[in-house]
Formats: sequence, C-alpha cells, structure tokens
Amino acid sequence: AQSVTQLGSHVSVSEGALVLLRCNYSSSVPPYLFWYVQYPNQGLQLLLKYTSAATLVKGINGFEAEFKKSETSFHLTKPSAHMSDAAEYFCAGGRAGNMLTFGGGTRLMVKP
Amino acid sequence: ETGVTQTPRHLVMGMTNKKSLKCEQHLGHNAMYWYKQSAKKPLELMFVYSLEERVENNSVPSRFSPECPNSSHLFLHLHTLQPEDSALYLCASSQDMARGVFYEQYFGPGTRLTVT
Repeated sequence: AQSVTQLGSHVSVSEGALVLLRCNYSSSVPPYLFWYVQYPNQGLQLLLKYTSAATLVKGINGFEAEFKKSETSFHLTKPSAHMSDAAEYFCAGGRAGNMLTFGGGTRLMVKP
Repeated sequence: ETGVTQTPRHLVMGMTNKKSLKCEQHLGHNAMYWYKQSAKKPLELMFVYSLEERVENNSVPSRFSPECPNSSHLFLHLHTLQPEDSALYLCASSQDMARGVFYEQYFGPGTRLTVT
C-alpha cells in the first residue's frame, strides 16, 4: 500500500532561519507529489507540485522542494523563515484516479 | 464568488439531527471530493464524484450521504452522527480525472462540524 510520511509533527524555527520539512513516500506512489499549506481556519492551498518535469520544484512564497528518488524523499525548504509562514504543511502523493494520499502534517512555528 | 466555497463554515449538531454541508466550485471543474480532517489523523478521502457520478466511496459509514446534483455542487448529508464525527470537512475540485495526467485539486475553506 502506498503511503506518505512526514517526519516531525511540529517544527519550530527562528525568523530568518532555514525551514526544512521532511516528507518520504513509499515507492509505489506514482510520481506526483505535492505540498499544501493550511493556515488556521482555512482550507489547503497548493504550495508546489512535482510531476517529473524537474527534480527541483519552486513554489509560492519562496518555498521549494527537491525530489530524490534514491531517498524516496520530497523535502520542503525555504532559506529564510518569515512569521507569516507559521501554518500546517501537508505532503501528499497522487495515485491513480486523481486521488491524493496525505501525510500526517507538520505544524511549523516561527519564533521572533 | 471564486474558487471553492463551503457553507456553513461552522456547524454544531446533536446526534439525532439531520443537516447538510454544501460545496460549490466556480472553476468549471468536472470532479469533486469530500475529505475529513480530524485532529491527529491524516486527511481522509471520503467520496469522489466525476461528472456527477460517484467513483470512490472510501468505506464511509452510511450516516454520511453524498449528493452531486451537477458538476458545480456537492452536498454531504448528515444524520445520526457520533461525537467522533466532529472534524473539519473539506471539499475539493479538480479539472477532471484521467489516466496518465494528474489534475491539481483546489480546496474550499472547510466546514468545522461539532457533534454534541
């Protein structure tokens, strides 16, 4: 069975520090991977997506993610955290039939 | 209105009540989805509709009953719910569903449901 795993349910960084949110997928997941962000009391907003065109994917708000097949990873990074980045982040894998399988989510806290 | 809208945004209901959640997409999409987001659990896909036909029912209890009268509207009818059904219910839509292509899903803001 396919799965997506996010390591660390909570990550705390200082403003201006590097953000690294980890995501690993099972090898049976098709090569469609996504990162979504959810702000309080809102739905999910797509940050970026990997669809095999390029291994380094740039998204909105300065985020990017690198697809590493050898490590079955799709970690999300941002060079410098901003207070407005505080939210919950979800990694998801696309499977047949346009379905998404989500990881458990990582809550990012940004300290001033 | 733009994107995907959901009403109501908050709902409190007793276990014997009947209520409905509404989702509307203004994107001209052909596929719509219901997800359940509970505390400490990954988002769970509940139902999927493509061109108003249900294509996925993820072992959801019968106290949840979906309805898709047209490609722009999706309802989730609720009856005799349990307290553990309290969650954020998210609706999403995508342009289509097709082999070999993955269409991005666009999410609504959700309905926060509390069952008392």
